[in-house]
Amino acid sequence: DAGVIQSPRHEVTEMGQEVTLRCKPISGHDYLFWYRQTMMRGLELLIYFNNNVPIDDSGMPEDRFSAKMPNASFSTLKIQPSEPRDSAVYFCASSLGPGGPPYGYTFGSGTRLTVV
Amino acid sequence: QKEVEQNSGPLSVPEGAIASLNCTYSDRGSQSFFWYRQYSGKSPELIMSIYSNGDKEDGRFTAQLNKASQYVSLLIRDSQPSDSATYLCAVNSRSQGAQKLVFGQGTRLTINP
Repeated sequence: DAGVIQSPRHEVTEMGQEVTLRCKPISGHDYLFWYRQTMMRGLELLIYFNNNVPIDDSGMPEDRFSAKMPNASFSTLKIQPSEPRDSAVYFCASSLGPGGPPYGYTFGSGTRLTVV
Repeated sequence: QKEVEQNSGPLSVPEGAIASLNCTYSDRGSQSFFWYRQYSGKSPELIMSIYSNGDKEDGRFTAQLNKASQYVSLLIRDSQPSDSATYLCAVNSRSQGAQKLVFGQGTRLTINP
């Protein structure tokens, strides 16, 4: 299995532009998670899906952020408009379960976003 | 109070010694506990999971769980320079019917040759 695949690996954009991050989970994993990692705040859960349905979006910082999962093999995280404080590494992860025994998460390589 | 707390370090350990990493959590209902290793510029990688009180050993790694004290730790025996990384503690937490993993800030570990 190729693991969780994210694209792009790096994204540099100007403030105010729309940014779309993409993720392909491991086949057969029913749960997909979007995390953001910064030095100050660590690894924060933004939103997660179960069978393509959003379950918990309480971590989405504001209306500028949106996430979709149109099918079991693809998800997007969109930021519109982007701001410099959105600069971070965004990770996608997938799992067979939400975090209860015995499942951990498998992370993708991440997208490093820089908003200038 | 943060849901999952770790000492950010850096923790410096000589090669061959035992490295001890600690984590406390606030949700008494948590049932699953994980340790992830993250090399600089890379993604977190799952190395250990533990669900019951006591010790769980896997090679040079031992995870320890004490639910009464809300404490989980990771011991790395015979530390190697390749163990130098940030170690993230993750705890499952249930909120408003949804279950998820909450991560600590991580402890940066350096093994000195």
